[in-house]
Amino acid sequence: DTAVSQTPKYLVTQMGNDKSIKCEQNLGHDTMYWYKQDSKKFLKIMFSYNNKELIINETVPNRFSPKSPDKAHLNLHINSLELGDSAVYFCASSHGTGVTGYTFGSGTRLTVV
Amino acid sequence: TQLLEQSPQFLSIQEGENLTVYCNSSSVFSSLQWYRQEPGEGPVLLVTVVTGGEVKKLKRLTFQFGDARKDSSLHITAAQPGDTGLYLCAGNTGNQFYFGTGTSLTVIP
Repeated sequence: DTAVSQTPKYLVTQMGNDKSIKCEQNLGHDTMYWYKQDSKKFLKIMFSYNNKELIINETVPNRFSPKSPDKAHLNLHINSLELGDSAVYFCASSHGTGVTGYTFGSGTRLTVV
Repeated sequence: TQLLEQSPQFLSIQEGENLTVYCNSSSVFSSLQWYRQEPGEGPVLLVTVVTGGEVKKLKRLTFQFGDARKDSSLHITAAQPGDTGLYLCAGNTGNQFYFGTGTSLTVIP
């Protein structure tokens, strides 16, 4: 069983479109995250979310919005996609603030053309 | 400038050689983690260190947390092709994790 699963694995879309990436975890973790990995392989946090609080990285454009229907799911919606949004997006989960470690999904490679 | 700088950025070695990867910062971390990421996959946690000076071993991998909790190192003995991947350190400042700049390791058979 996959601990953190995200879909789709690959996403190719045109500029201006709206798209969503889904994430589900079956680990019973209470915190979920979205990370963006750029072409230089640098991982940057976009959002962290638990039942109580959504923490947004202020550098993330408001075209990006996380939506969590329940504790096991955290989806990422992106409006008006731009070329610069092309990257690999990773979902992750942890107990609390992640002191004991994060479990990552296998990533979604988004290409905006 | 990134909070956690890793060196070297790229490393290509022959099978059987030893290597060390460094993760440095001017900030103090309450804990530090190392991950390995293979192509097309997400990072996988290798170890967490929490005490200054702490040393942990995972088979041929040895992890050390600096005494001042500002830096860490990963030493691999007798590297194998299966060790190939992107190695990432990640430090916890108490309220947020920061990932390092990454070290891409290639072990040539």
